[in-house]
Amino acid sequence: GAVVSQHPSWVICKSGTSVKIECRSLDFQATTMFWYRQFPKQSLMLMATSNEGSKATYEQGVEKDKFLINHASLTLSTLTVTSAHPEDSSFYICSARGTKLAEQYFGPGTRLTVT
Amino acid sequence: AQSVTQLDSQVPVFEEAPVELRCNYSSSVSVYLFWYVQYPNQGLQLLLKYLSGSTLVKGINGFEAEFNKSQTSFHLRKPSVHISDTAEYFCAVSEGDSWGKLQFGAGTQVVVTP
Repeated sequence: GAVVSQHPSWVICKSGTSVKIECRSLDFQATTMFWYRQFPKQSLMLMATSNEGSKATYEQGVEKDKFLINHASLTLSTLTVTSAHPEDSSFYICSARGTKLAEQYFGPGTRLTVT
Repeated sequence: AQSVTQLDSQVPVFEEAPVELRCNYSSSVSVYLFWYVQYPNQGLQLLLKYLSGSTLVKGINGFEAEFNKSQTSFHLRKPSVHISDTAEYFCAVSEGDSWGKLQFGAGTQVVVTP
């Protein structure tokens, strides 16, 4: 099946700094990718929809100026957490919409810890 | 807008016993339904999905689920669990015209004991 990678798999940063997370579709072109956030022992919550070549669509309550999403190519979407704070510590998971109906492929996730 | 309800937050079960995880959804349009499993500190693995057709869907690792449109349910079952089935299970739904965008249930923690 199709593969989606994320980099880094885990990252620790200091409060106030910015962190960039990459999501790549390795063997297919993904015009649409999604970013989810999962707090410990909770479910996944959709943060935003990332469309290649256009602005991301953010879900209600997600600060677009804090979580910058760029989808500059058909195989890469990036999520930048700007001015990170401890409450941003979470597991961030991306998924890529496949070419067949209802197909989506999840990345392995990135664990962010802000100290 | 769709919503997903997983009725059990935790399900303890003995090894080799059957298990059923309940999932109900609400949506005003046609939906696609999914079950995912997540092991500790890992990403999601797709167990099975319902798109159309037969309401009984078979997935990996011996799991199956039944779509019931009248009851808006998509319950997951396994006739005999293993210790390795201990994990978090998520039911998810996407609506027809925005497939790929998933709404997840709160999750059900399955704990299998000998």
